[in-house]
Amino acid sequence: DADVTQTPRNRITKTGKRIMLECSQTKGHDRMYWYRQDPGLGLRLIYYSFDVKDINKGEISDGYSVSRQAQAKFSLSLESAIPNQTALYFCATSDFQGAKETQYFGPGTRLLVL
Amino acid sequence: DAKTTQPPSMDCAEGRAANLPCNHSTISGNEYVYWYRQIHSQGPQYIIHGLKNNETNEMASLIITEDRKSSTLILPHATLRDTAVYYCIVRAPYTNAGKSTFGDGTTLTVKP
Repeated sequence: DADVTQTPRNRITKTGKRIMLECSQTKGHDRMYWYRQDPGLGLRLIYYSFDVKDINKGEISDGYSVSRQAQAKFSLSLESAIPNQTALYFCATSDFQGAKETQYFGPGTRLLVL
Repeated sequence: DAKTTQPPSMDCAEGRAANLPCNHSTISGNEYVYWYRQIHSQGPQYIIHGLKNNETNEMASLIITEDRKSSTLILPHATLRDTAVYYCIVRAPYTNAGKSTFGDGTTLTVKP
């Protein structure tokens, strides 16, 4: 979905390096999410943000941090990358309408930590 | 959120209807049924959702049984590009979508 973009799309880094994955959206949604996907483990929530001043940890936040620079931007940082953070990372926004909430995902960033 | 059960895999001939079932026997009265799909290594894509009534959009139809314990996603004329993993998710209103579980889903393979 071109309304949610992620940069870079692919990244190779070395153990111990700090890297940032960026997410931008033009959908005007307040809610944004970061997930990682590993083979056989499905999507796991890292962090989420319900608005610019609201940041919350997901189920696997250790080793990660986030920044919500604006409504449209939500960045994920790996403070000191390690090989088991090699994964596919997805950003998502959601159209929260109270009872209903539909998520829209970016194309993903494939990260390899050597 | 109620637990869902889907078959691990299905095949469908190109041009035919693909009917993907989902069991959610413990669904509560106010929980919505959502369907997403993930084409190989791409971000999941929203397809459709419903509460009680059958729903249709440009992508698919969603049939929910009267007792709401199961549903079926219908792709009326499947194409090769519909090959993907399809996820059925049940979620209560006013809850955090980020905490919904994308389980194993159903891998649909559309064959020529």
